[in-house]
Parts: sequence; structure tokens; C-alpha cells
Amino acid sequence: DAMVIQNPRYQVTQFGKPVTLSCSQTLNHNVMYWYQQKSSQAPKLLFHYYDKDFNNEADTPDNFQSRRPNTSFCFLDIRSPGLGDAAMYLCATSRPYSAEQYFGPGTRLTVT
Amino acid sequence: GQNIDQPTEMTATEGAIVQINCTYQTSGFNGLFWYQQHAGEAPTFLSYNVLDGLEEKGRFSSFLSRSKGYSYLLLKELQMKDSASYLCAALTTDSWGKFQFGAGTQVVVTP
Repeated sequence: DAMVIQNPRYQVTQFGKPVTLSCSQTLNHNVMYWYQQKSSQAPKLLFHYYDKDFNNEADTPDNFQSRRPNTSFCFLDIRSPGLGDAAMYLCATSRPYSAEQYFGPGTRLTVT
Repeated sequence: GQNIDQPTEMTATEGAIVQINCTYQTSGFNGLFWYQQHAGEAPTFLSYNVLDGLEEKGRFSSFLSRSKGYSYLLLKELQMKDSASYLCAALTTDSWGKFQFGAGTQVVVTP
């Protein structure tokens, strides 16, 4: 089945230790998004791509970086995780200007 | 500025009807979405309105008034499995299509 896959589902990292979250999609969608969602809050857009064209939200901290080596894969790098970065990280895809975003299952990040 | 407002929590009994209201203010508008999100899981798509009026999909209906910047999601014949957070999201005309999400309304269904 075509889908959006995120690995790992649960990630524990130490304060300050770099971590990479991955997302892959079999939908062949041009647009990919990374969201951060904290408990009882709205998903907050961090980055999005149209193919390799990258759009960084103005309030995304420099500690967060992203890479999209090809259509299918997208990575979120957190260079020096702080306790405040503990959250669910959601990857989503869509066709450009499309009605719907398809979400992956998310990666729950814990920072110790 | 951009803003999506919806109530924080609503409680209803099994079999009842609940209406979740959402007001939005965005830079450009390409439609209003409702997503369901169970705890610890990703949002799943429920409905999409781009024109004024009511869209019905089984037990769920969604309404949009563009002139008022207002939408609601109606859940009928509530079941225990409907206990979840319901996210209102406006698709803006920014960039290639960005969502502005509300914080979600936690619906608690009681027996």
C-alpha cells in the first residue's frame, strides 16, 4: 500500500546528542512537510519541500535542519536536542496546492 | 495575522451528537480540513470543505461559511472510539500549500 513511513516510531536521545529522524513515502508526492507537535498543541510546521526546493519557517530554530536527497526520503536532523525538543515529529506529504496532506505515524522523541 | 480557534474540550455521551466549532483567519484560503487524532497517533483525514455549505460523510458532517471564517464538524451517533482530538486546519495560499492548524478539540465520549 502506498504510504508515509517514519522511523523510528520512538526515539530516545540524550541532551545535546544529535539525532536524525527519517521519513519515506511511496506516494510520489512532490511536497513533504515536517511538523513538531507537543502535547495538546497544534502541529507546528518546521520545514517543507517542493521537490528539492526548501522552505524554512521563520521561527524554526537553527538547531533543526532538514535534508531531502530524493523524492522518496526526507530527514530531520536535530543538532543539539534540548529538553524542550521532546515532542511528536510528524512527516506529511501532498501534491502541490492539493486538498489533502497524508501523515506518517510520527516519531515520539524523548530527550533525557 | 493567522489564527485558528476551536474549543479545548467537549464531553458527550455515547449515541449523542456533538458539534465542534472552528473560526479561522488566514492569509489566503484554499479550504478547511478536519482531522481526527487519537493519542500518540498521526492525524487522519476526515473532511474537506472549500465551498460554502455542508458536506456529509456517514456519521460525520462538516460545514463551511467562507464569509464568516467559520466551520463546524458534526459527529452523530457518537461511539466510544470517537474519543479523540479533532483538528481544524485551514489550507492557506502560502508557498505550495501550507496548513494552519488549530490546537485541537479533545472529545470525550462517556458511556
